[in-house]
Amino acid sequence: DAGVIQSPRHEVTEMGQEVTLRCKPISGHNSLFWYRQTMMRGLELLIYFNNNVPIDDSGMPEDRFSAKMPNASFSTLKIQPSEPRDSAVYFCASSALLGETQYFGPGTRLLVL
Amino acid sequence: GQQVMQIPQYQHVQEGEDFTTYCNSSTTLSNIQWYKQRPGGHPVFLIQLVKSGEVKKQKRLTFQFGEAKKNSSLHITATQTTDVGTYFCAGPKDSNYQLIWGAGTKLIIKP
Repeated sequence: DAGVIQSPRHEVTEMGQEVTLRCKPISGHNSLFWYRQTMMRGLELLIYFNNNVPIDDSGMPEDRFSAKMPNASFSTLKIQPSEPRDSAVYFCASSALLGETQYFGPGTRLLVL
Repeated sequence: GQQVMQIPQYQHVQEGEDFTTYCNSSTTLSNIQWYKQRPGGHPVFLIQLVKSGEVKKQKRLTFQFGEAKKNSSLHITATQTTDVGTYFCAGPKDSNYQLIWGAGTKLIIKP
């Protein structure tokens, strides 16, 4: 199994631009999670899906952030418009069931100038 | 709300010394999981503990789950440079099984 796949691995963009991060979970996993990690705030859960349905998006910082999971093998996290304070590493993770082991992707390192 | 506290935030050790991180939950957990994140990497699952009082070992790493299933610890004997990283504990939330994460303990080896 290839594990959780994220793209791009690195993204540098200018303030105001739209950023789309992509994730392919492990095949057969029912739950998908988007996290953000910074030095200041640590690892934060942004949103998670179960069976492609968003369950809890209370961690999404603002309306500029949106996430979708159109099918079991693909999810996106979009930031529009991006701001410098969005600079962070964004991780996608999946698990077979909620509460079980989470498998993380390599992350997308986002820098907003 | 339900919380998982992890201490210390950082621990500096000389290579060869032991390291311990502690995790405390505000509620009883059905299981507790430990993850390691190397510098520049992503969290990687190490182990899951399920039973009250459970102790598991992985080479130099010893994991314990408290009798009340509210606390846990990870102990590394004779640290090596390969142990450097941040160690996280996480447990499922009562209401929806979403994992609640500790803040992590960063293991730093003194030069």
